[in-house]
Amino acid sequence: GENVEQHPSTLSVQEGDSAVIKCTYSDSASNYFPWYKQELGKGPQLIIDIRSNVGEKKDQRIAVTLNKTAKHFSLHITETQPEDSAVYFCAASSTSGTYKYIFGTGTRLKVLA
Amino acid sequence: GAVVSQHPSWVICKSGTSVKIECRSLDFQATTMFWYRQFPKQSLMLMATSNEGSKATYEQGVEKDKFLINHASLTLSTLTVTSAHPEDSSFYICSAPDASGSTDTQYFGPGTRLTVL
Repeated sequence: GENVEQHPSTLSVQEGDSAVIKCTYSDSASNYFPWYKQELGKGPQLIIDIRSNVGEKKDQRIAVTLNKTAKHFSLHITETQPEDSAVYFCAASSTSGTYKYIFGTGTRLKVLA
Repeated sequence: GAVVSQHPSWVICKSGTSVKIECRSLDFQATTMFWYRQFPKQSLMLMATSNEGSKATYEQGVEKDKFLINHASLTLSTLTVTSAHPEDSSFYICSAPDASGSTDTQYFGPGTRLTVL
């Protein structure tokens, strides 16, 4: 079945350092890959997304890379700040339904001041 | 970006009662909405797809008679947890894609924390 693996499950970095979260998807037909940030007690918020016809996308301190051949995509956060501390979820579009996603298991990022 | 609201943000109820949660798309129309359930420190689990004007589609293992979904308009979907029990306590989140855009992006509501005593 469709699956998205996400690593690591927890990540601690010093403020100002970079953080990288990696995901692997199983369905080669997936063509849309969003990343969400979820703070405690809140709903997920979209922070960046990428389509399968693009290899990399950047938005200020956040970037996402996609390797279609290997079915890997990664989130890169540079110059981390304490407010970046949250749970991050990757997702891949599902071919089992329009707009449906398969979510990764989440990464708890802690930025140490 | 598109805004999705949920009401209530939290609710406490007694075992055996029913609870209704509303999900609204505030600045766009949504023919499809999704309902998720999230346990502490876990990922989002898709429960069902809400379709405006037709029956909801439930994921395997989700009891349709327990989790009633009604998508009455292009901006409102409701989830009713019937005869709630303590094991139904969870964080319920809805999402909606803005079909008017060019992406498949789902926009999430802020979530509803349900506690069943």
